[in-house]
Order: sequence, then structure tokens, then C-alpha cells
Amino acid sequence: GDSVTQMEGPVTLSEEAFLTINCTYTATGYPSLFWYVQYPGEGLQLLLKATKADDKGSNKGFEATYRKETTSFHLEKGSVQVSDSAVYFCALSEAANQGGKLIFGQGTELSVKP
Amino acid sequence: DTGVSQDPRHKITKRGQNVTFRCDPISEHNRLYWYRQTLGQGPEFLTYFQNEAQLEKSRLLSDRFSAERPKGSFSTLEIQRTEQGDSAMYLCASSLATTPPAFFGQGTRLTVV
Repeated sequence: GDSVTQMEGPVTLSEEAFLTINCTYTATGYPSLFWYVQYPGEGLQLLLKATKADDKGSNKGFEATYRKETTSFHLEKGSVQVSDSAVYFCALSEAANQGGKLIFGQGTELSVKP
Repeated sequence: DTGVSQDPRHKITKRGQNVTFRCDPISEHNRLYWYRQTLGQGPEFLTYFQNEAQLEKSRLLSDRFSAERPKGSFSTLEIQRTEQGDSAMYLCASSLATTPPAFFGQGTRLTVV
């Protein structure tokens, strides 16, 4: 079945460092791809999405590009802040219209030190 | 607060007891989802509704689990004859039919002793 694999955490960075969190997927069709973030004490929230190959999702300085050839959707940010400390989840949806169930990776914890 | 709310936030129960959780979605959302999350793992899909209709249920879901959304608004998730392996965080989310969920609730943490 479809699946999502993320790099293991925790990832610890200094403020203003460059961030990459790797995500690869396995899917039989053409899924939509998502990054969710969970800040301490809060519920998951959608960070960004991409619905087809070569699409770039972006939000709050984070970016991810849907790479069909490498089945990847790596999350990047040029300069992280302490407030970015959270757990990040990569996910896919099999549904063409982005609805329906999501399949999540295991999550990557990011800790940013001042 | 107009986000997704879940009740209770925490539940401790003895093995073999039944438990019921409630989720109140964002009011205009017609889809409602239930997920389960264990420590160090991502959320695992359980089931989802569009209005009152249960559109999909995970094949991994035991018959001890049942969910309802009787009037297309709030939903309940019941676990019968709880087992220690049911200990987890149970998450709810809602969305419109053509969008992914933007926000999840903070979850109900179940501990089976």
C-alpha cells in the first residue's frame, strides 16, 4: 500500500540555520502531498501542500517541491527560528481532490536553539 | 474558539471497559476524520464521514471500534472492551469535501490500565 517515510529526528539546529527534512513516498497513483506541523501543546495544522508533480508548496518561509521522479517532498527553510521548534509530519492523500484519508510519516522533531 | 474540539482530553480506563469520545468539528465542514497516534508515530487513519455517512473505515480497525455522526455535526468514537493496546492519542479533524483538513483537534489521550 501507499506509505510515507521521513528522516528520523530529533533534528537540532541553531537559529538562522538552513533546514531540510527529507520525505519520500510510495504511491500507486498520483497523490497530493502535504506537510503538517504540531507545535508543543497544540493540534496538527496544515503547513503546505502540493497537488501535482513539480508543484512547490510554500508557507511561513517553508517550501517543499513535489518531485515525481524521486518520489520526494523534502521540507526546507532558509533560516529557522526558535519558534519553528515543533514536530513535522509529511503526508499523502490518494484522493485526486485532496480529501479523503491521509497517510502520515512518523514525524520529525525539530529543536531550534537560540 | 471555532476550531476542532475534542472531549475529554484525557481518559484512564480499566481493561475491558467501554469508552466514548466526542469530536465537534468546525461548523461549516462536512467531512470529519478520526485518527489514532501512538508515541513516536504519525497519525494512523481510522475512519471518516461526509455529513452523516461513514465513507471509509480502516481495515485495521477492530470490530470493537465504532463511530457515528448522527446529524452530520459532532461525532462519537466508541471503543468496546478496551485493551492495553488501545492506549493512544485519538485525533479528530474536519474539512470541506475538496480540501485536506487544515486543523486537527488536540486529541483525547486514552490510557488503558
